[in-house]
Amino acid sequence: EVQLVESGGGLVQPGGSLRLSCAASGFTLSSHWMHWVRQAPGKGLVWVSRSNGDGSGTAYADAVKGRFTTSRDNAKNTVYLQMNSLRAEDTAVYYCTRDTRYGGDPSFDFWGQGTLVTVSS
Amino acid sequence: EIVLTQSPGTLSLSPGERATLSCRASQIISSSDLAWYQQKPGQAPRLLIYGASSRATGIPDRFSGSGSGTDFTLTISSLEPEDFAVYYCQQYGTSPFFGQGTKLEIK
Repeated sequence: EVQLVESGGGLVQPGGSLRLSCAASGFTLSSHWMHWVRQAPGKGLVWVSRSNGDGSGTAYADAVKGRFTTSRDNAKNTVYLQMNSLRAEDTAVYYCTRDTRYGGDPSFDFWGQGTLVTVSS
Repeated sequence: EIVLTQSPGTLSLSPGERATLSCRASQIISSSDLAWYQQKPGQAPRLLIYGASSRATGIPDRFSGSGSGTDFTLTISSLEPEDFAVYYCQQYGTSPFFGQGTKLEIK
């Protein structure tokens, strides 16, 4: 059974840092790109970042570029999101999600339960 | 950047009725890159449709997707009580983008 379990969220002051983890099980992590998606309270879904199978290729939304870094340790079946210089507008539930290509068509087929990050003084 | 606009913002229907949700892209996108997700309060999103029209594993056949170019539609043929939720369309692309969502509520 595929499972994604995020952890590491919490309350942090503006300008602070936090590292989120996403523990993956039930599949071969190195075979999948992985993404982070966030959702501010009462708002919609916003893509944050992605990493390819071996972590050598990453991409970021403009809103987090230069502040967030995604990485992975396939041996530990874990994906990370290092968040620096946090701002109030980064407050959100952060989901990690698996990228899959059914018949070549991309989608996010499994999602974790999310971890809440609150940036406030 | 491709922007997806979903309509209506809120749709009020009764169980048993047919629901039609729209997703319009700001420019032509590949049907392969269009997906739909369902999200219930306090839960993570769930993949419903990928490739504009293919149902994900375990999704009931009352859910169907269609469209091409800039206009895509999610149809729920006969609403069940568990279908009332928020629905998002997504364009994969270089930077994946989600529509703002349509809330499907019980009338």
